[in-house]
Amino acid sequence: EAGVAQSPRYKIIEKRQSVAFWCNPISGHATLYWYQQILGQGPKLLIQFQNNGVVDDSQLPKDRFSAERLKGVDSTLKIQPAKLEDSAVYLCASSSGLGNTEAFFGQGTRLTVV
Amino acid sequence: AQSVTQLDSQVPVFEEAPVELRCNYSSSVSVYLFWYVQYPNQGLQLLLKYLSGSTLVKGINGFEAEFNKSQTSFHLRKPSVHISDTAEYFCAVWFSGGYNKLIFGAGTRLAVHP
Repeated sequence: EAGVAQSPRYKIIEKRQSVAFWCNPISGHATLYWYQQILGQGPKLLIQFQNNGVVDDSQLPKDRFSAERLKGVDSTLKIQPAKLEDSAVYLCASSSGLGNTEAFFGQGTRLTVV
Repeated sequence: AQSVTQLDSQVPVFEEAPVELRCNYSSSVSVYLFWYVQYPNQGLQLLLKYLSGSTLVKGINGFEAEFNKSQTSFHLRKPSVHISDTAEYFCAVWFSGGYNKLIFGAGTRLAVHP
């Protein structure tokens, strides 16, 4: 079974530039999560999708971050414009349902904003 | 408010010694509990989970954890650690009942020394 795929693995951009990350969850998984993991901290949930609908985006900085999952399969997270404090690993995860199921994580995209 | 606290940011231990990594949570709704491990430059891997039933759960690599509802804790233990157990460990809690979020603690870095 293929795991959660993320690309790119690494990205370096200058502040005020834009960047996009892509995630392809495990086939058939309805729930998709985007987490931000700043160095030395635990992952922080940015946005959670159930199929193509947003379940929770309360911690997404909506003035600069956006995410979509148009067909209920793969997802894109965008930052525009980027700030220095956006430097982090962006993790995508998927699960077959809400709650009592395991969330499977991709390897993440390491973003460095200079 | 729902929160997850990992009491130790770093735990140094000698090889073959026992270890306990502590996790407490605050919740007014029912929860499911998880421990994940993250090796350097890798994604998160599930160690074990508590959904219901026996409060003592066993996971991969010889780890186990005990759910204590009265103390709202889910501490991770291993009777004898190996050098290869050196990694970051994250406690994660799924808060249900309409809240429906998977929240992570800040992490505990386990450093096993020879």
